[in-house]
Amino acid sequence: GNSVTQMEGPVTLSEEAFLTINCTYTATGYPSLFWYVQYPGEGLQLLLKATKADDKGSNKGFEATYRKETTSFHLEKGSVQVSDSAVYFCAPHDSGYSTLTFGKGTMLLVSP
Amino acid sequence: DGGITQSPKYLFRKEGQNVTLSCEQNLNHDAMYWYRQDPGQGLRLIYYSQIVNDFQKGDIAEGYSVSREKKESFPLTVTSAQKNPTAFYLCASKGGRGFNQPQHFGDGTRLSIL
Repeated sequence: GNSVTQMEGPVTLSEEAFLTINCTYTATGYPSLFWYVQYPGEGLQLLLKATKADDKGSNKGFEATYRKETTSFHLEKGSVQVSDSAVYFCAPHDSGYSTLTFGKGTMLLVSP
Repeated sequence: DGGITQSPKYLFRKEGQNVTLSCEQNLNHDAMYWYRQDPGQGLRLIYYSQIVNDFQKGDIAEGYSVSREKKESFPLTVTSAQKNPTAFYLCASKGGRGFNQPQHFGDGTRLSIL
């Protein structure tokens, strides 16, 4: 089956620091790739997505590029804010499967 | 505004009791999903439904049951056979048939044992 590997957290940064959260996946087909964010006590929200190789998804200053050759979809942000503190989930959706596969999530803590 | 509503936000279960978690969506989505989230863990799929009157087991269906009698509703029952039900439960829906459409999530129900 599919699998997702995310870097373990928590990732602790100071405000305005650069963020990278690594995500690699295995898939039998040619998946669409998603990043979701979960704020404390809430459900997940779609952060960004990419549906084909070399596509770059972006939203709220976050970016991720679909790298088919390395099966990766790393999340980046140039300058994090305290309000970015949350748990981030990488999730590929393989064309051969009916459901998403979620990574374990990476907690980000940003201090002022 | 369209969205997914989960209720209640907090739920307590006594030993040997079945409890039902509600999930309603007004997004006109065909597919709906139930996930379980434990502290420090990712999301694990319990059940999903791609169309009314049809549903499939996910990775951890034992001790749970669902129904899909209406497009808008996908209730989850946590039965007494689920020996470790304490968790955060998330419901999601998805429109379209393609795999490039995102899932939309409710705000979750936190279930605890009395």
